[in-house]
Amino acid sequence: QQQVKQSPQSLIVQKGGISIINCAYENTAFDYFPWYQQFPGKGPALLIAIRPDVSEKKEGRFTISFNKSAKQFSLHIMDSQPGDSATYFCAARPPGGSQGNLIFGKGTKLSVKP
Amino acid sequence: GAGVSQTPSNKVTEKGKYVELRCDPISGHTALYWYRQSLGQGPEFLIYFQGTGAADDSGLPNDRFFAVRPEGSVSTLKIQRTERGDSAVYLCASSLFRRGSGANVLTFGAGSRLTVL
Repeated sequence: QQQVKQSPQSLIVQKGGISIINCAYENTAFDYFPWYQQFPGKGPALLIAIRPDVSEKKEGRFTISFNKSAKQFSLHIMDSQPGDSATYFCAARPPGGSQGNLIFGKGTKLSVKP
Repeated sequence: GAGVSQTPSNKVTEKGKYVELRCDPISGHTALYWYRQSLGQGPEFLIYFQGTGAADDSGLPNDRFFAVRPEGSVSTLKIQRTERGDSAVYLCASSLFRRGSGANVLTFGAGSRLTVL
């Protein structure tokens, strides 16, 4: 119930293409869903986040789509660039959890080919 | 400082030894978090400090793990009697705490890679 399942494990996309990463969760009481981007040797950095009362949020080339009934959310990267090559993690905050108690997915390694 | 600083960046130790990992958060950030990231996995929450006190230590795996933040700034994660399974990257993050904001943006450090032989 406390898991966040992320897919695919790895993804290769051509430059200019759309990268799509999916996450699913079980606990309907999760109340905050961020996406983090991590480059090798660095800590994760917040990319974009959404709350369950919103179905979509867009920031530049990055969009989160949220489907509350299906308990799924996804990250779309439009016009993918080689600089987007990184590992992406979805996360969710459990009910009653402290501000920083996030449950992370296992990550998706994205490679954008020039 | 400009970011979250963690030292050492790499630590190799032998099974059974004691280890301390240090985190220097962004100046002015009152909230501090420790996570553990094993190879090929997402970060796993360990403990959260608000000021000097541990507000949530539900992620600490057992009593060999302990963390302190005596002056509300720098934090030390302490691991006693290390085991091979403790090998991971230990990440620290900090944030401004805004009551009622719903979510605080965590800024992570680069981590301390611990290898237990």
